[in-house]
Amino acid sequence: SYVLTQPPSVSVAPGKTARITCGGDNIGSESVNWYQQKPGQAPVLVIYYDSDRPSGIPERFSGSNSGNTATLTIGRVEAGDEADYYCQVWDSSSDHPWVFGGGTKLTVL
Amino acid sequence: EVQLVESGGGLVKPGGSLRLSCAASGFTFSTYSMNWVRQAPGKGLEWVSSISSSSGYIYYADSVKGRFTISRDNAKNSLYLQMDSLRAEDTAMYYCAREKSDVITHKMDVWGQGTTVTVSS
Repeated sequence: SYVLTQPPSVSVAPGKTARITCGGDNIGSESVNWYQQKPGQAPVLVIYYDSDRPSGIPERFSGSNSGNTATLTIGRVEAGDEADYYCQVWDSSSDHPWVFGGGTKLTVL
Repeated sequence: EVQLVESGGGLVKPGGSLRLSCAASGFTFSTYSMNWVRQAPGKGLEWVSSISSSSGYIYYADSVKGRFTISRDNAKNSLYLQMDSLRAEDTAMYYCAREKSDVITHKMDVWGQGTTVTVSS
């Protein structure tokens, strides 16, 4: 089955840019979604189809996907961005189609 | 307002059963596939099961296949998860999530707040 690999943690100072990666075999040929989960809350979709933002998600959130790595980029990081972030793909070749990465804890210093 | 509200969680002994419910409102429930996703304490998200809009397609994670049954009642705008032969490792927060799909992408665009299942003697 398809495997997505994320770094366990990323730290960034306020106002700087955070980049969270998601590795997978030829992930550039897949459509990648990203979810944000703040402590005690349900996940929220922040990026879909590699780089599209749902309504209500700040423009500071962007995504890219190429080769074996997809990246969630958060510009001008704020304290409120501190959360766990999960990448996700749909594996159409599997009867276990929904695949999540292990998650990355973003810490705002 | 689009909303999903889970219920039915609780404390159950190993080997026991529990039925989770998810009440949908604010959208045409019968036109969307739905999912259950769980999160064990301190762990990441784990997809559990999916059901298509008319229940024609159903999928399960290997970890729950044969023990859990997903179903829906479109007339009642409700999603269910029957959980049998529960194990300690099924302890988790269980979320229901709406699936928004097209030819290119499948995403979970609406999530409930979750219901907690604890399996312990």
